[in-house]
Amino acid sequence: DTAVSQTPKYLVTQMGNDKSIKCEQNLGHDTMYWYKQDSKKFLKIMFSYNNKELIINETVPNRFSPKSPDKAHLNLHINSLELGDSAVYFCASSHSQDRGGYNEQFFGPGTRLTVL
Amino acid sequence: AQTVTQSQPEMSVQEAETVTLSCTYDTSESDYYLFWYKQPPSRQMILVIRQEAYKQQNATENRFSVNFQKAAKSFSLKISDSQLGDAAMYFCAYRTSINTGTASKLTFGTGTRLQVTL
Repeated sequence: DTAVSQTPKYLVTQMGNDKSIKCEQNLGHDTMYWYKQDSKKFLKIMFSYNNKELIINETVPNRFSPKSPDKAHLNLHINSLELGDSAVYFCASSHSQDRGGYNEQFFGPGTRLTVL
Repeated sequence: AQTVTQSQPEMSVQEAETVTLSCTYDTSESDYYLFWYKQPPSRQMILVIRQEAYKQQNATENRFSVNFQKAAKSFSLKISDSQLGDAAMYFCAYRTSINTGTASKLTFGTGTRLQVTL
């Protein structure tokens, strides 16, 4: 019973290519996130969607475009991949803030992207 | 903007011993949440323990406990009776509790790599 799943788990591609990472959650959450973990293990928020609406959009190159077709899915499309995009990308989900409480974020297994 | 600092890039502990991982943060808010996440080599992010700022009592989860010092903005993690399976990266994280009605990001520290030796 996977709670937050990501596909693919590994992605190796050439510079300049376009690629997508998919995320699905079956926890009934209405909020989903993308985090990037760089080579030094630093984790940083990229985007967040609530009920398919973009809520958080950190300073991310516009080559990165998230899309949320429904509350259970959040995909990340990356155009014109660069060497510096190599990282692990984590999807997470939670209940929205207005429910109060910890609203714990549950993480997917991560997608290791390697750009050659 | 909130920041989270973990000043120990690496720590080592012998099996069955106790280790404390440090975390400090900076915020102007009075209510917020703090978390410790564990990331083993499998890279899965696992929530270890959490604390709400308005609760004075330190959180505990089995062998894991925190020392939350709100005035000092300090949130350390103590692991008792360390086990080989505790070896991992540990991340301290902050989240606002302000009701935005929607989403709130986690702000992470740079992590501490914990080694457990026999």
